[in-house]
Amino acid sequence: DGGITQSPKYLFRKEGQNVTLSCEQNLNHDAMYWYRQDPGQGLRLIYYSQIVNDFQKGDIAEGYSVSREKKESFPLTVTSAQKNPTAFYLCASSPWTSASYNEQFFGPGTRLTVL
Amino acid sequence: GQNIDQPTEMTATEGAIVQINCTYQTSGFNGLFWYQQHAGEAPTFLSYNVLDGLEEKGRFSSFLSRSKGYSYLLLKELQMKDSASYLCAVTPKGSNYQLIWGAGTKLIIKP
Repeated sequence: DGGITQSPKYLFRKEGQNVTLSCEQNLNHDAMYWYRQDPGQGLRLIYYSQIVNDFQKGDIAEGYSVSREKKESFPLTVTSAQKNPTAFYLCASSPWTSASYNEQFFGPGTRLTVL
Repeated sequence: GQNIDQPTEMTATEGAIVQINCTYQTSGFNGLFWYQQHAGEAPTFLSYNVLDGLEEKGRFSSFLSRSKGYSYLLLKELQMKDSASYLCAVTPKGSNYQLIWGAGTKLIIKP
């Protein structure tokens, strides 16, 4: 079955620690994204990547870092510089297209709680 | 600036019809998506509109007016499982990958 996996579902960390959230897809999609979702707010883009070894900052990249060494994988590191890291993190992917239709497919999400 | 507005919360009765509105102001426009998101889960695709008019898909329909910057999602014969948040997202012109997201409308279905 093709899809996007994120692990773990729930993650707890102490304040001041870096933590890495995994995202893997076997849909052969070129583009991948990381979003943050807080209660009562829409999805906010952290980083996105169109191709391997290339990624761009989104609207709220401060305190986060990513890598894209493989097409299938786009891990997100939440660093200690992120002031308020507790949130629901969603990874998504989409096929790269020159058309306007760019449906994004989402993983199940990781709920990060920093204590 | 870019802005998408949706009502925060709506309540409807099982078996009834509900319309969830979305208005947008973006730098150009290519298309509009509706996603459904159950609490604590991933958003899932419902519909995509690029031309004016109504797109019907089973119990769900989506309407778009490009000139008014307006869309709505119409849900018929509501079921308890339709209790979820409904997210409106717009593809700005010139962007092949980014979506601008609304905050979502939480729909509560009562028996």
